[in-house]
Parts: sequence; C-alpha cells; structure tokens
Amino acid sequence: GAGVSQSPSNKVTEKGKDVELRCDPISGHTALYWYRQRLGQGLEFLIYFQGNSAPDKSGLPSDRFSAERTGESVSTLTIQRTQQEDSAVYLCASSFWDREVGNEQFFGPGTRLTVL
Amino acid sequence: AQSVTQLGSHVSVSEGALVLLRCNYSSSVPPYLFWYVQYPNQGLQLLLKYTSAATLVKGINGFEAEFKKSETSFHLTKPSAHMSDAAEYFCAVSRSQGGKLIFGQGTELSVKP
Repeated sequence: GAGVSQSPSNKVTEKGKDVELRCDPISGHTALYWYRQRLGQGLEFLIYFQGNSAPDKSGLPSDRFSAERTGESVSTLTIQRTQQEDSAVYLCASSFWDREVGNEQFFGPGTRLTVL
Repeated sequence: AQSVTQLGSHVSVSEGALVLLRCNYSSSVPPYLFWYVQYPNQGLQLLLKYTSAATLVKGINGFEAEFKKSETSFHLTKPSAHMSDAAEYFCAVSRSQGGKLIFGQGTELSVKP
C-alpha cells in the first residue's frame, strides 16, 4: 500500500464499551501521530511515536486513552469505557524525517467513531 | 505555547476569483508552517509548507503562501478559484520538523459557478 491506512473506517459503539483503532503507516516512516477531529473543530494532537516509544503523550485527554506501537509499524489507539464526547474522527499520520525534505506528515483517511 | 488562528470559518468565492485564506500563528521559536486541504470524506493532503528556505512558498494546485514574520501570518492564496478547490483548509504550525502539528480551526472554502 502506498499510503497510511486505518481500520475500521467507521465504528459505532455503546457508551462504556472499549474500542481499538488501528493505523498502518507508510513503510519506513519512523514517526507516527494520532489526532482527533471533533465535529466542526480543528484537529487535536493526541500522541506521537518515534519508533516504538512515545516521547509526547501530552494530547491524550484522559487515562481512558492509550496507544501502542509495535515493530516500528502498526499502531493501536485504545479508548476504554467510551463516552459520548469521544465521538470524533481519529486520524493517523506518519512521517520520515529527512533534513532536506523536512517532516511532511502523511494522513490516513481516518476512523469515524460514534458513541451512542 | 504555539497556536494558530484562521480568520473565517467559511469563505465563499466565485469561480475565477482570487482565493485568500488567512492564517496567523504564535510561536516563541521560528516555526514550521503548513497548509493542508481536506476534501469531503478524505484524509488531509499537504498543499505546501514553510521551512525557512524561502518566504514565498508554492504548493500544489496553483496555491501559494507567503510567510510574513512581522505580521506572524501565513496566508494562502490562489489567483483563480476552480470548482474543484471547494474543500476545508487547515493551517498548522510545528515547533520542530519532527514535531506534532498544531492546527487552526479550519476554513471551509465554497466556490460558486
């Protein structure tokens, strides 16, 4: 695959359930980012991975949110005990740091999460 | 702390008219600035980026933006709008080239025939 892929594309869940969102970055991209886009709002940063470690988790809104990355590839964002305010589009991006090109983040199509 | 303000959540222009989408930023260090476009039901696509090499940056689809440090602005322009330009546009700032992006609220561009 040429681009960032995310699954599922849509997820409807009931309040209180746990959900897992998956991101497959572009092969070879060392950095991976999760953002959240709530209806009518801009994108909010959630967490950043460099390799398998997360040097910046400052955007995670609560301890119900967690993320991991394995093999410097796939990442999973987990939301426990979902609440209605978690409804949003969750976007994943990846990038490859290059001094000449800089840090262009390539975005996936997003997962639309609806919490009923 | 860094922040981005996009003036105007909705902008409407006629086909062939000038497009001007405004973005102002605040940053305590020299910023990296980006414009992204989001078409309906699609992910974000990079239009252009400023990384200090040149203050006038040309991007895809005929868009360009000028970095003005004295005005802390990075407005996006296109001389002649096309119907296919209708989308949501996001300005973003990053403190470092490897860092997270801080996004503005977005501006929805409508193009009238």
